[in-house]
Amino acid sequence: GAVVSQHPSRVICKSGTSVKIECRSLDFQATTMFWYRQFPKQSLMLMATSNEGSKATYEQGVEKDKFLINHASLTLSTLTVTSAHPEDSSFYICSAPNLRGFGTEAFFGQGTRLTVV
Amino acid sequence: DAKTTQPPSMDCAEGRAANLPCNHSTISGNEYVYWYRQIHSQGPQYIIHGLKNNETNEMASLIITEDRKSSTLILPHATLRDTAVYYCIGREYGNKLVFGAGTILRVKS
Repeated sequence: GAVVSQHPSRVICKSGTSVKIECRSLDFQATTMFWYRQFPKQSLMLMATSNEGSKATYEQGVEKDKFLINHASLTLSTLTVTSAHPEDSSFYICSAPNLRGFGTEAFFGQGTRLTVV
Repeated sequence: DAKTTQPPSMDCAEGRAANLPCNHSTISGNEYVYWYRQIHSQGPQYIIHGLKNNETNEMASLIITEDRKSSTLILPHATLRDTAVYYCIGREYGNKLVFGAGTILRVKS
């Protein structure tokens, strides 16, 4: 079945550096992808909608200059956490809707555990 | 998208049916009811969805009340691997998924 691959699964970086997370749809094209963040013991929070060929749409309260999103192709979206700080440590998850069927389901990546030290 | 309400947690004995309720009294006619689950430190996994008819697949059954204000996800024979957070989401076709708090289901031997 359709799969979304996310890389890396785990990353540790120093405070002040930038980290890029990749999200790929493996056997289908995704003109739209979604990025979520999840803190421990909390639900997923939608951060932004990534649109192929146009700017990302950010949810209220999410800093677009800090969380840079680039939807470079129909199968790849990237999230760059710029100038990371310890409070950015979280579980980041991407999702891509499978538009092959009506009432579509969405496929999720396996998530990226970011730790900023 | 419709606001959904779920109990924060439930326990279920292994091998028994797990019935997870969800209230979505403000759901509109175009919104589907989706169920996802998240096992610890993994991305969410799609389970099932429905509009107004009851649905069944290899994972679960979804029972939607006639007025569509509530639904129940049924895992017919729960196993320890079904321990997860289960999310009920009301969503229009193609729209983004917005997650609520979900229900922590603990399957116990």
